[in-house]
Amino acid sequence: AQRVTQPEKLLSVFKGAPVELKCNYSYSGSPELFWYVQYSRQRLQLLLRHISRESIKGFTADLNKGETSFHLKKPFAQEEDSAMYYCALRGLYNQGGKLIFGQGTELSVKP
Amino acid sequence: EAQVTQNPRYLITVTGKKLTVTCSQNMNHEYMSWYRQDPGLGLRQIYYSMNVEVTDKGDVPEGYKVSRKEKRNFPLILESPSPNQTSLYFCASSSPRERPPRDTQYFGPGTRLTVL
Repeated sequence: AQRVTQPEKLLSVFKGAPVELKCNYSYSGSPELFWYVQYSRQRLQLLLRHISRESIKGFTADLNKGETSFHLKKPFAQEEDSAMYYCALRGLYNQGGKLIFGQGTELSVKP
Repeated sequence: EAQVTQNPRYLITVTGKKLTVTCSQNMNHEYMSWYRQDPGLGLRQIYYSMNVEVTDKGDVPEGYKVSRKEKRNFPLILESPSPNQTSLYFCASSSPRERPPRDTQYFGPGTRLTVL
């Protein structure tokens, strides 16, 4: 079954602490993984995409096919990082097609 | 301004009364999708469309219909709404012509639907 699991509903850290938001997936073919973010009162927006191997706002994520994970990391959390984060998956060559989201993790960065 | 718009933004209705939530994008995007967002369940895709007259089921299509007669519009139809369809609905669009290619989904502001 195709599935994305984000085991933590809420992650609370202090400013300057490292952050890791976990994402595990189950997919029978070649997956493409994404992280989306929703700041308070804003629309959901793409943060990063595994195939681009990019770093956005200090966040990085590496696809680990052996562990079927795509954890989102940032070495030093900032208060403005507080938001809802969603991991999402689709087939590698299925752009525009079915997209599966995880349940979301709320990140709270305290001063 | 490039955007995805949804109407209405808020709707309270009663069981069985047909309703349509409109979605429109002005970016000439080929791909459009509908999602529902529920606490503890995250976003779940209802339907998606890869171009005009091409639609397919997502994870939770039961109780919903869509149509894609024009590229810019992708309405979501609830023929006979039920209380379990009370949710926050998002429309999104994207394009294969995005450069550099990031498969960015552009989301609408959301429609909060309550079915009594």
